[in-house]
Amino acid sequence: GIQVEQSPPDLILQEGANSTLRCNFSDSVNNLQWFHQNPWGQLINLFYIPSGTKQNGRLSATTVATERYSLLYISSSQTTDSGVYFCAVVTTSGTYKYIFGTGTRLKVLA
Amino acid sequence: EAQVTQNPRYLITVTGKKLTVTCSQNMNHEYMSWYRQDPGLGLRQIYYSMNVEVTDKGDVPEGYKVSRKEKRNFPLILESPSPNQTSLYFCASSSSHDNTGELFFGEGSRLTVL
Repeated sequence: GIQVEQSPPDLILQEGANSTLRCNFSDSVNNLQWFHQNPWGQLINLFYIPSGTKQNGRLSATTVATERYSLLYISSSQTTDSGVYFCAVVTTSGTYKYIFGTGTRLKVLA
Repeated sequence: EAQVTQNPRYLITVTGKKLTVTCSQNMNHEYMSWYRQDPGLGLRQIYYSMNVEVTDKGDVPEGYKVSRKEKRNFPLILESPSPNQTSLYFCASSSSHDNTGELFFGEGSRLTVL
């Protein structure tokens, strides 16, 4: 089945720094999403981005479907950005199933 | 407001005492799913439903039951909870047409089985 790998697994930043999180997937996908799990455990939708580039405030994401990766950019990080970032994909073949990466744990220090 | 609502959000129970975690969505989504999240194991799918009266096992279905009698509701039933079912549970839904639907999560239900 499809493999979804995220890097780096852990990241510590000073407030105000920028960062790039990566999601690699091993097969063609119809659907790719980025989620943020905050310290209270809630899973927040960040981007629905099977291809192309989107921006929402300080966050932006780019998916290059032909090369099977997606990037999440966080600029001017804030302590509220702390938590775990997951990407999830749905493949073009087989069962309609979301496959989640193992996440990037981000800690932003004040 | 479009949302997925789970209840209860927090529950402490004892081994063997049947419990139900409810899940309701107001987006007319066909697809609904339950996940559990445990430290170091990520999100694992328990059961999913592609539409009313259509349910199927996910990766870790043992010890759980589900039903989908109405499109908006997808309850998770633990007939005889055991301590290894202590976990953070998430319900999610999406529109599954053409495999392109955006997945939305509920706020999570933290369950402790003593």
